[in-house]
Amino acid sequence: DSGVTQTPKHLITATGQRVTLRCSPRSGDLSVYWYQQSLDQGLQFLIQYYNGEERAKGNILERFSAQQFPDLHSELNLSSLELGDSALYFCASSPFTELSYNEQFFGPGTRLTVL
Amino acid sequence: AQSVAQPEDQVNVAEGNPLTVKCTYSVSGNPYLFWYVQYPNRGLQFLLKYITGDNLVKGSYGFEAEFNKSQTSFHLKKPSALVSDSALYFCAVSDNTGFQKLVFGTGTRLLVSP
Repeated sequence: DSGVTQTPKHLITATGQRVTLRCSPRSGDLSVYWYQQSLDQGLQFLIQYYNGEERAKGNILERFSAQQFPDLHSELNLSSLELGDSALYFCASSPFTELSYNEQFFGPGTRLTVL
Repeated sequence: AQSVAQPEDQVNVAEGNPLTVKCTYSVSGNPYLFWYVQYPNRGLQFLLKYITGDNLVKGSYGFEAEFNKSQTSFHLKKPSALVSDSALYFCAVSDNTGFQKLVFGTGTRLLVSP
């Protein structure tokens, strides 16, 4: 168990809908990362937050957004869902300091199915 | 931009034999390299990382990796494979601009037969 929790584990929804994925980082970790894993795109970085502020953006669609709250949990919002958004969404956390490269600890993921 | 390549989709090895999972990287500047393992229906688990120093890095579950700067490689190795090592292995490189996002390879499925 990595200490990172994600809810829900599975989500089935229809095209055009909006969903919210939730992540609680490990105790003490200030940085949260979101990744998408799909068969055709592999594992891709979406976005990073550090202590409530957005730090880096990757291949995140404009229909997707995220935020990190004062208690450090994070939410990934996916809207106007398309069939191609079906994937496994991972959250990871790390202590993150500017001068060291810490490993990231991954949650179990949320499997999103868009029908 | 950083990138990693895992040239083998699958590696097959018999239990007790040594295993190698290959990874090559491309970065500008110093590479920060990681190996993760993914078991079915599970998240990724950290195995080991190379930041600087000794080219041979030891990690969890008896795995080690050898950093080779001239060949831009970071191969994962284990002297004696176990059936329970069967999983999906990902090599990753960290953004060296300071943001530390991970760029992953396509993954290599390791199948250890009894």
